[in-house]
Amino acid sequence: SQKIEQNSEALNIQEGKTATLTCNYTNYSPAYLQWYRQDPGRGPVFLLLIRENEKEKRKERLKVTFDTTLKQSLFHITASQPADSATYLCALVTDSWGKLQFGAGTQVVVTP
Amino acid sequence: DAGVTQSPTHLIKTRGQQVTLRCSPKSGHDTVSWYQQALGQGPQFIFQYYEEEERQRGNFPDRFSGHQFPNYSSELNVNALLLGDSALYLCASSPIAGGLPGETQYFGPGTRLLVL
Repeated sequence: SQKIEQNSEALNIQEGKTATLTCNYTNYSPAYLQWYRQDPGRGPVFLLLIRENEKEKRKERLKVTFDTTLKQSLFHITASQPADSATYLCALVTDSWGKLQFGAGTQVVVTP
Repeated sequence: DAGVTQSPTHLIKTRGQQVTLRCSPKSGHDTVSWYQQALGQGPQFIFQYYEEEERQRGNFPDRFSGHQFPNYSSELNVNALLLGDSALYLCASSPIAGGLPGETQYFGPGTRLLVL
């Protein structure tokens, strides 16, 4: 069966440290992978997209890696701030119409 | 520039009733997708509309139906509501660009549906 797995336990991290989130998938061949941020009761907000032929992507304090051999993406938030506290979702896109297959998300809590 | 808007924000229904949720896509977007997000889970794809046609569908029963209007806005209808339909319903819009319509998807704030 097809699965997208993210750390189910919340990640508690001190302000200023780097948060690293994992997204593992099985039985998919994604064209690209996206990361979203979701705050409680709100819709997901797009953060980064990385294609299957890209190894790494950066945007400000965010970095994403994509290893299609390991079937894994890592999402890093450097110099984390309390405002980064949210749930982070990874989503795979496996078809040309952009249907998103989401993981369950990982909650990040950044404490001052 | 308004982003994706959805109405209503919250809704309470009883089992067996029918509900209609509405979505207006971001300006310049012509593709609308609907997702269901249960508490503590990631969003699950329901279906996608383009040019007023359902283009693809996820693993949801026929009780879930939709419509897209000429102005690209969309409705999600759910008939014969079950307790398990309680969830956050999300609408996402995307433009057709470079042959990859799904690359950039913008989500609305969602409609929280509670079925009693």
